[in-house]
Amino acid sequence: QKEVEQNSGPLSVPEGAIASLNCTYSDRGSQSFFWYRQYSGKSPELIMSIYSNGDKEDGRFTAQLNKASQYVSLLIRDSQPSDSATYLCAVNTNAGKSTFGDGTTLTVKP
Amino acid sequence: DTGVSQDPRHKITKRGQNVTFRCDPISEHNRLYWYRQTLGQGPEFLTYFQNEAQLEKSRLLSDRFSAERPKGSFSTLEIQRTEQGDSAMYLCASRTTIPGAQGTEAFFGQGTRLTVV
Repeated sequence: QKEVEQNSGPLSVPEGAIASLNCTYSDRGSQSFFWYRQYSGKSPELIMSIYSNGDKEDGRFTAQLNKASQYVSLLIRDSQPSDSATYLCAVNTNAGKSTFGDGTTLTVKP
Repeated sequence: DTGVSQDPRHKITKRGQNVTFRCDPISEHNRLYWYRQTLGQGPEFLTYFQNEAQLEKSRLLSDRFSAERPKGSFSTLEIQRTEQGDSAMYLCASRTTIPGAQGTEAFFGQGTRLTVV
């Protein structure tokens, strides 16, 4: 079992819909959680960070964290074709290094 | 540009040659990380530094790989006797650490894409 699990997708949603991306992790000592967006051939770009249970909203993005269930999610509202990318979930322990999932590929269809 | 900078962006080398990559982190960031990413996979941790000290190396990291951060600023990653399996994107990330804080975000450079032929 990988330390950080994501559905590989592809996830396809129509433009304007809500895209829901999920991530589970195995280390209960994990403290920091991040979502990165990665376009093909490019490096990961940080879009959200979350440290406490609950929801955190930033524009069209909402991150949700449930430490008891070891679950992190990312909601993208009003999805746009430019949101089409691979979304990487990253989890940090005390050491501060990130363990990444293999990403979920999102396609937003016009 | 005050982001993380990596050089070169692309490197093609013949099997058996040595290669060296450079990373310049965001200037106030004391932690620097190296990752490797292959197609369809997430970034895989290689090693990290706090200032000039190398604090952890992945158990998966071959002895052919070595990294330095001599003055606590830029870092180099060297791969000796490259193999075709070393072909990947090599990513550098940096962040700052705040005592007592939960954590801070890491920011990635553009990556160095290595192709071993």
